[in-house]
Amino acid sequence: DAKTTQPPSMDCAEGRAANLPCNHSTISGNEYVYWYRQIHSQGPQYIIHGLKNNETNEMASLIITEDRKSSTLILPHATLRDTAVYYCIVRSNDYKLSFGAGTTVTVRA
Amino acid sequence: KAGVTQTPRYLIKTRGQQVTLSCSPISGHRSVSWYQQTPGQGLQFLFEYFSETQRNKGNFPGRFSGRQFSNSRSEMNVSTLELGDSALYLCASSLSSGANVLTFGAGSRLTVL
Repeated sequence: DAKTTQPPSMDCAEGRAANLPCNHSTISGNEYVYWYRQIHSQGPQYIIHGLKNNETNEMASLIITEDRKSSTLILPHATLRDTAVYYCIVRSNDYKLSFGAGTTVTVRA
Repeated sequence: KAGVTQTPRYLIKTRGQQVTLSCSPISGHRSVSWYQQTPGQGLQFLFEYFSETQRNKGNFPGRFSGRQFSNSRSEMNVSTLELGDSALYLCASSLSSGANVLTFGAGSRLTVL
């Protein structure tokens, strides 16, 4: 399974964009990058996924570098409810999700 | 539309006992995956079921088992409980095996004394 590297924590001001980096230098050509988040005491929540192209949905944007070795999740206008652990995952070909330690994002008022 | 329902939400067992956890997926979802979450190991994949068949299995001992019923509901069982089995057990459902989006339940928190 391709491994991912994320910073352990980051702070963000409410109303500002939060940019969450992820390195996945061993990713294979057909492996997707997924982002999930887990708010305290809840199950993980799907945010977005992508293969090569940048993706955007109502929650976030995903920017994948051309060599696919890294990506950035962008929360355009962070709110206090976005405080959570964010997981960057490269899904293996057998569809298992391998969660790492994630990035603990704290949005401050 | 109801989400993924896991029961019980909390339970306490003693070493050596066995436990069964239940997961009702979102209506129409046919794949159910199970994950274990502990402070030390994080979220780890246990197994996935699709159409009543186990499709994938993680690196857990045989004490951990599961099954899926014809209505897609799933159960997981842990026998001969150990202290280290204390964890949050999460169930996720998806439309099919390999689907892009997993929807997780709130989990069953097991404490082994």
